Amino acid sequence: SYELTQTPSVSVSPGQTVGITCSGDKLGDKDVSWYQQKPGQSPVVVICQNTKRPSGIPERFSGSNSGSTATLTIRGTQAMDEADYYCQAWDSSSVVFGGGTKLTVL
Amino acid sequence: QVQLVESGGGVVQPGRSLRLSCAVSGFSLDYYGMHWVRQAPGKGLEWVAMITYDGRNEHYADSVKGRFTISRDTSKKTVYLQMSSLRVDDTAVYYCARDGASREVDVWGLGTTVTVSS
Repeated sequence: SYELTQTPSVSVSPGQTVGITCSGDKLGDKDVSWYQQKPGQSPVVVICQNTKRPSGIPERFSGSNSGSTATLTIRGTQAMDEADYYCQAWDSSSVVFGGGTKLTVL
Repeated sequence: QVQLVESGGGVVQPGRSLRLSCAVSGFSLDYYGMHWVRQAPGKGLEWVAMITYDGRNEHYADSVKGRFTISRDTSKKTVYLQMSSLRVDDTAVYYCARDGASREVDVWGLGTTVTVSS
């Protein structure tokens, strides 16, 4: 079965830029979405179709996808961005989530 | 306002069955596929099942195939997840979610908790 691999944890200082990566076989051929989940809350999509930002998502969130790696980039990271982030793609008729990355804003 | 409200969770013994419901509002099930996604305590998201917008196709994760069934009643604006032969490792928060236009899961409910324990 298809797998998406994420680094378990990443830390960043407020105001800095951070990249959260997601890797999978020929992932660049797929559409990748990214979700933010804060403790006790439901996930929220922050990037869809690799680079699109849904309405209401701040401009500091951006995405890219090429080769075998998709990246969620947060520029000017704020304390409120501290959360778990999950990548997601489709494989055949199944949805696959990455294992998640815990972002800590120090 | 688009909203998904799950119900039906609870504590159940291994081997027993449980049916989850997801009441939707603010959109029509005739135009959107629907998912169930679960999250075990302290763990990540795991996709469980999906029913297509026309209700003709269902897809399942290997971990639940043959045990879980997704269905919908468009007249009641409700999506269901029938779970049978439950196992301890089915313990999780179960989220109902909508399939978006860009192959994302664009709307999520608040979830309902299922605990499988003897």
